[in-house]
Amino acid sequence: NAGVTQTPKFQVLKTGQSMTLQCAQDMNHNSMYWYRQDPGMGLRLIYYSASEGTTDKGEVPNGYNVSRLNKREFSLRLESAAPSQTSVYFCASSEAGRLNLNEKLFFGSGTQLSVL
Amino acid sequence: AQKITQTQPGMFVQEKEAVTLDCTYDTSDPSYGLFWYKQPSSGEMIFLIYQGSYDQQNATEGRYSLNFQKARKSANLVISASQLGDSAMYFCAMRGTIGANSKLTFGKGITLSVRP
Repeated sequence: NAGVTQTPKFQVLKTGQSMTLQCAQDMNHNSMYWYRQDPGMGLRLIYYSASEGTTDKGEVPNGYNVSRLNKREFSLRLESAAPSQTSVYFCASSEAGRLNLNEKLFFGSGTQLSVL
Repeated sequence: AQKITQTQPGMFVQEKEAVTLDCTYDTSDPSYGLFWYKQPSSGEMIFLIYQGSYDQQNATEGRYSLNFQKARKSANLVISASQLGDSAMYFCAMRGTIGANSKLTFGKGITLSVRP
């Protein structure tokens, strides 16, 4: 079972470069999310997509854009990378388009990004 | 806005003993869900256990149980009979029902080390 697949696993960028993190899920989930994880900060929500065709900002959206390409895929783009965006990025998905309190997120394995 | 607080910097436990990882939360939502996730050194996020705010009993999943004290706004994770494989970072998270609170919010995490 693939679950949530993220690519790449590791990436090093220079300041000002752009790149796109790819995420795909094969569980027919409606909702998808991008989080970043920084030491001592836990996971913080960057953007999410409640359903195909919709995207919304999370807690820390500045410097990022997202695209919900179809139901399976949700990409995160850094247009002009900055050292402050050095982090581990996680994509996640969940089943609902409606709110279920007990709905758990399924996570990808993460992308370790360094911006020099 | 909802908030999760995990203040223990790091925990150590002897193999086969029980350990409690603390989590307190704050929210104005009348209904909410509480989650614990495990992140081993390999980096993936693994769902452990869920507790609903109106659940009558504390949640249990195998060796994991959640000590839910609603009046104190605490949702501590109890791991019984610790194993070496329990060494990991543990995140408490919550989801409410209103607006931005409907997205999963994470605490900063607690590192647990199990000693042989």
